[in-house]
Amino acid sequence: AQTVTQSQPEMSVQEAETVTLSCTYDTSESDYYLFWYKQPPSRQMILVIRQEAYKQQNATENRFSVNFQKAAKSFSLKISDSQLGDAAMYFCAYRSAGGETSGSRLTFGEGTQLTVNP
Amino acid sequence: EAGVAQSPRYKIIEKRQSVAFWCNPISGHATLYWYQQILGQGPKLLIQFQNNGVVDDSQLPKDRFSAERLKGVDSTLKIQPAKLEDSAVYLCASSFWAGAQETQYFGPGTRLLVL
Repeated sequence: AQTVTQSQPEMSVQEAETVTLSCTYDTSESDYYLFWYKQPPSRQMILVIRQEAYKQQNATENRFSVNFQKAAKSFSLKISDSQLGDAAMYFCAYRSAGGETSGSRLTFGEGTQLTVNP
Repeated sequence: EAGVAQSPRYKIIEKRQSVAFWCNPISGHATLYWYQQILGQGPKLLIQFQNNGVVDDSQLPKDRFSAERLKGVDSTLKIQPAKLEDSAVYLCASSFWAGAQETQYFGPGTRLLVL
């Protein structure tokens, strides 16, 4: 079974600064997908960024980028120019490369609570 | 485009009572998921539907939890009887299809407190 570990329960950053959230995972599969989701106090999970394991290039979405190290099974999220609205719980998640008839569950880590200080 | 709708948003019940949650996925989404998120933890999948068929219910406590998705659209998750440890947020998510480019869109969740 796959597991996802986020070793930082809490992180804080000053507004406009950069912060990196860590995530490691364990799997025996070669093809899979990794995600970072944001969960604000409203509890609605919002997709931040996705990485396909077969792609060597790290994914980037505006101020959000990842450092994907497949051999090390590491998938960190970097938030540049942090904004007050970035404050939330961030979850790292893993999904097998399944199809329509196989399970495609997301396996989540425990989360990292990010505080942005003005 | 309307998002995933869930109701109720909050529910308080006593242990051994029954409760039901409702989810309406994004129009056209064939895949529907129910996740349980206990306070301080990440969500855990309970059940996955593809249209109205069950794809994965390996982590569903079948002695007390049941779910159905009639006509491949709306879904209902039921707990009968509830236990204290069922206190959690129940998240519904949907996707167009469970393929390579799938993105799961989450609803706002139903927060359940069992006393």
